[in-house]
Amino acid sequence: NAGVMQNPRHLVRRRGQEARLRCSPMKGHSHVYWYRQLPEEGLKFMVYLQKENIIDESGMPKERFSAEFPKEGPSILRIQQVVRGDSAAYFCASSPRDWTYEQYFGPGTRLTVT
Amino acid sequence: AQKVTQAQTEISVVEKEDVTLDCVYETRDTTYYLFWYKQPPSGELVFLIRRNSFDEQNEISGRYSWNFQKSTSSFNFTITASQVVDSAVYFCALSAYYGQNFVFGPGTRLSVLP
Repeated sequence: NAGVMQNPRHLVRRRGQEARLRCSPMKGHSHVYWYRQLPEEGLKFMVYLQKENIIDESGMPKERFSAEFPKEGPSILRIQQVVRGDSAAYFCASSPRDWTYEQYFGPGTRLTVT
Repeated sequence: AQKVTQAQTEISVVEKEDVTLDCVYETRDTTYYLFWYKQPPSGELVFLIRRNSFDEQNEISGRYSWNFQKSTSSFNFTITASQVVDSAVYFCALSAYYGQNFVFGPGTRLSVLP
């Protein structure tokens, strides 16, 4: 019974490149959430998705960031033209139904922008 | 707006001591959920508990206990007879009943010394 999978675990990008972070939810879970954790800070909600739908993207920066959760395949968080300030740990979580259920977190992807 | 405050940035205790981590929240919602998560040095996030605002009963799970007091908007977490393996950052979180506005506190770093 695999948990939430995220890959890659570590990602290094140069300024201006694109970063693609993948999240495969737990089996049977159709709700996915992305969070960002800056160094020495708590988690900040970014976006909440169901299959093929963005439910709440109130935490997403308006530019350069996008997320999708296609009918088939993992959820993708895409950051275009990365800057040093994007360096952080990005966590994905999934739940079987909506927010009111436990969110199970993946191990995170640590993005370093050089 | 929702807000979670964890006033204790860092706590150090000696093994076998009891320790309480404070969490104070703000919300205008009458129904909501409260959570605690543990983030050990390895970086993953571990779900500990979810409590809905209807249920003010305290909860105990092994060495862990939670004290929910609606009157003071607090949801404190106590570890009894702490162990070195309890060393981690602990996050308190809050969400509206229908899942909007999921907010994490800044975390409390607990160090349990042998």
